[in-house]
Amino acid sequence: EVQLVESGGDLVHPGGSLRLSCAASGLTLRNCWMNWVRQAPGKGLEWVATIHQDGSDKYYVDSVKGRFTISRDNAKNSLYLQMNSLRAEDTAVYYCARSPNGANIWFDPWGQGTLVIVSS
Amino acid sequence: EIVLTQSPATLSLSPGEGATLSCRASQSISSYLAWYQQKPGQAPRLLIYDASNRATGIPARFSGSGSGTDFTLTISSLEPEDFAVYYCQQRSSWPPITFGQGTRLEIK
Repeated sequence: EVQLVESGGDLVHPGGSLRLSCAASGLTLRNCWMNWVRQAPGKGLEWVATIHQDGSDKYYVDSVKGRFTISRDNAKNSLYLQMNSLRAEDTAVYYCARSPNGANIWFDPWGQGTLVIVSS
Repeated sequence: EIVLTQSPATLSLSPGEGATLSCRASQSISSYLAWYQQKPGQAPRLLIYDASNRATGIPARFSGSGSGTDFTLTISSLEPEDFAVYYCQQRSSWPPITFGQGTRLEIK
């Protein structure tokens, strides 16, 4: 079964840091562009970041540039999101998702999500 | 940034009826549009990619159409499990990848 499993979500104070992980099973990430998408409570979907299959290119939504870093370890079949200088508006469920067809960015499958709460 | 506007915000229908959901782009995106379904407490699921291609395992009652700026997701005969929120997403001009705000399909 193809599965993505996120972890690392937590309650963190404004200005704090958190590292999210996404582990894949049943699929090999090294052949795929990978992504993070988030959803604030009761809100819609927001694309956060995308990384090329070999990690050479990375793309971010403007609101997280300079604060978040997407990375991957293909040997561990894993994806990461390092989040620094967290703000209340970063509170959301964070999903990792595969783009199955190179740089043709659509998302399939998705993980179950991990909740990040930024609050004092 | 390409803005996607979905309509209606909420659609109230009964099982067995047909549903038509719309997504309009602020500029032409060719056929580079995907549709997702999200049920409460679950991750989104890809339904349609590149405007009209059904994803693996998606029932034939789901179909997508359109190109340029106007797109439609059609559900031919609603099943109880189809009541959910639906999002469109464009990949024509990125970054950023953008989503519509969603259409809630509810039971009448």
